[in-house]
Amino acid sequence: GAVVSQHPSWVICKSGTSVKIECRSLDFQATTMFWYRQFPKQSLMLMATSNEGSKATYEQGVEKDKFLINHASLTLSTLTVTSAHPEDSSFYICSASQELGFAGELFFGEGSRLTVL
Amino acid sequence: GENVEQHPSTLSVQEGDSAVIKCTYSDSASNYFPWYKQELGKRPQLIIDIRSNVGEKKDQRIAVTLNKTAKHFSLHITETQPEDSAVYFCAATLYNFNKFYFGSGTKLNVKP
Repeated sequence: GAVVSQHPSWVICKSGTSVKIECRSLDFQATTMFWYRQFPKQSLMLMATSNEGSKATYEQGVEKDKFLINHASLTLSTLTVTSAHPEDSSFYICSASQELGFAGELFFGEGSRLTVL
Repeated sequence: GENVEQHPSTLSVQEGDSAVIKCTYSDSASNYFPWYKQELGKRPQLIIDIRSNVGEKKDQRIAVTLNKTAKHFSLHITETQPEDSAVYFCAATLYNFNKFYFGSGTKLNVKP
């Protein structure tokens, strides 16, 4: 299957700082990537859809100024948590599909665990 | 967006028994329903999926059934093994769209 890589796998930062998480599709081009947030023992909550060359579309309730998404190339999407606070601490996971135009297997990155002190 | 509900949240079975996890969805337009398995500390991985033009799909010990009228689908695992222990997520989406909405997850514990 396709490989999606995420970096860093874990990060600790001070409150008020910004943190950038990268998501790369290693062996395929992904015009669309998805960012999820997963709280402990909870489900994958869709945050936003990252579109190559255009603005990301955010799910209801997700602050776009807080979670900046940039999809600069067909293999890279980044999520920047700006002015992070302890409540932003969570597991962030990206995903992508090889399919264009129809639903297919979603490949997930390893996830990034963010801890804000 | 789509609303997917999943039950039970935890399920404990004896090795060799069967396990059933159920999901319901709200958007009648959804037509693709995958199931993902997430082992502790690992990324979710697809184990089986079903499209709305079929009612059942099997892959060895795993099967998924779909009832479009009632808008629910279920995962069936037979002859469970300890390595089946994980969190299972159902999801729903439109076939021509990759935006997946996941259920709340079921933690399956298979006791040896």
